[in-house]
Amino acid sequence: QQQVKQSPQSLIVQKGGISIINCAYENTAFDYFPWYQQFPGKGPALLIAIRPDVSEKKEGRFTISFNKSAKQFSLHIMDSQPGDSATYFCAASMDSNYQLIWGAGTKLIIKP
Amino acid sequence: DTAVSQTPKYLVTQMGNDKSIKCEQNLGHDTMYWYKQDSKKFLKIMFSYNNKELIINETVPNRFSPKSPDKAHLNLHINSLELGDSAVYFCASSQEGTVYNSPLHFGNGTRLTVT
Repeated sequence: QQQVKQSPQSLIVQKGGISIINCAYENTAFDYFPWYQQFPGKGPALLIAIRPDVSEKKEGRFTISFNKSAKQFSLHIMDSQPGDSATYFCAASMDSNYQLIWGAGTKLIIKP
Repeated sequence: DTAVSQTPKYLVTQMGNDKSIKCEQNLGHDTMYWYKQDSKKFLKIMFSYNNKELIINETVPNRFSPKSPDKAHLNLHINSLELGDSAVYFCASSQEGTVYNSPLHFGNGTRLTVT
């Protein structure tokens, strides 16, 4: 029940296309869903996060879509650029317990 | 200024040795963490320290011991290194309080290779 399942494991998208990464969770007590971005040789960094009281959050070209009934959330990267090539992690936690439960990561490659 | 810094960046050592990785954060955060990232990029939390007290100790071997001299530093000591310890180790920090306002800040990692 503590797992966060992330897919796909890897993704190749043409420059200018839309990249979509999906995550699913079981624990309905989760109330915070961040996405972290990790470039090679660097640590993960928070990209965007959402709480379940909204169905969508947009920051620039990055959008989180959240489906509470399906217990799923996804990251959409519009107009994908080569600089977006990185590993993306979804995660979930309960505010009462800070521990983040991490997805397995998605390696995204944007082809020029 | 580097917010979370780790040293060394690379560490190559032989089985059976004892080694340490140092971490410092200048963000004034209350909580620091050690994560292990394996070759498949999976992130696993190892330890968390809040105000110098251990608050998470996931099922890691007792060969691994975190030591926090003050709230800005969290070092990781590893005894009797094994081949399976080869991984990238990340230090991170966050501010105590609501998780919504306190994302994790990661260092750039220490790549440990045990031969």
